Amino acid sequence: DGGITQSPKYLFRKEGQNVTLSCEQNLNHDAMYWYRQDPGQGLRLIYYSQIVNDFQKGDIAEGYSVSREKKESFPLTVTSAQKNPTAFYLCASRPGGQQETQYFGPGTRLLVL
Amino acid sequence: GDSVTQMEGPVTLSEEAFLTINCTYTATGYPSLFWYVQYPGEGLQLLLKATKADDKGSNKGFEATYRKETTSFHLEKGSVQVSDSAVYFCALSRGSTLGRLYFGRGTQLTVWP
Repeated sequence: DGGITQSPKYLFRKEGQNVTLSCEQNLNHDAMYWYRQDPGQGLRLIYYSQIVNDFQKGDIAEGYSVSREKKESFPLTVTSAQKNPTAFYLCASRPGGQQETQYFGPGTRLLVL
Repeated sequence: GDSVTQMEGPVTLSEEAFLTINCTYTATGYPSLFWYVQYPGEGLQLLLKATKADDKGSNKGFEATYRKETTSFHLEKGSVQVSDSAVYFCALSRGSTLGRLYFGRGTQLTVWP
């Protein structure tokens, strides 16, 4: 089955620690996105990538980093500079071109110890 | 800039009641409009979409009509079920912004039997 997988489902971070959230898709989509979801605030865009080896900052990129070395993978690192990382993180992908619909993974919940 | 404003929740209804969730948008040009649904602890699923004025998107008994004159895309369902309990997000996309989605804050719907 084609789809988007995110792992782990739950992730715990200690103070000063960097953690990496995985996002993999086997849909052959060109574009991939990372969103952060906080209660009552909807989804906010962190980073996005239209093609391999290229990515752009979204609205709340500070304290986060990404890479896009392979078409199917778009990992997100939450660095120690992100002072309030507790949230639900959602990865999405889009075929590219004129196809505007984004398809979402199941999400990773990050909690701070 | 581009933005989406959704009706504040939560919305609580009895089974078989009529549902309306209001959504209005601000955008230049002709955006595409979407409704996504999120069940507890899961990612977002596309519910329906419309890509031009006067288009009606529909799926699973839900409908929304793209009204350019009122910049609205209200979600409706004639008879809700307990299984419709979820958070509903309105979103827009403009092709010129690299396919990114702008989301409303979401509306929590609870349906009681």
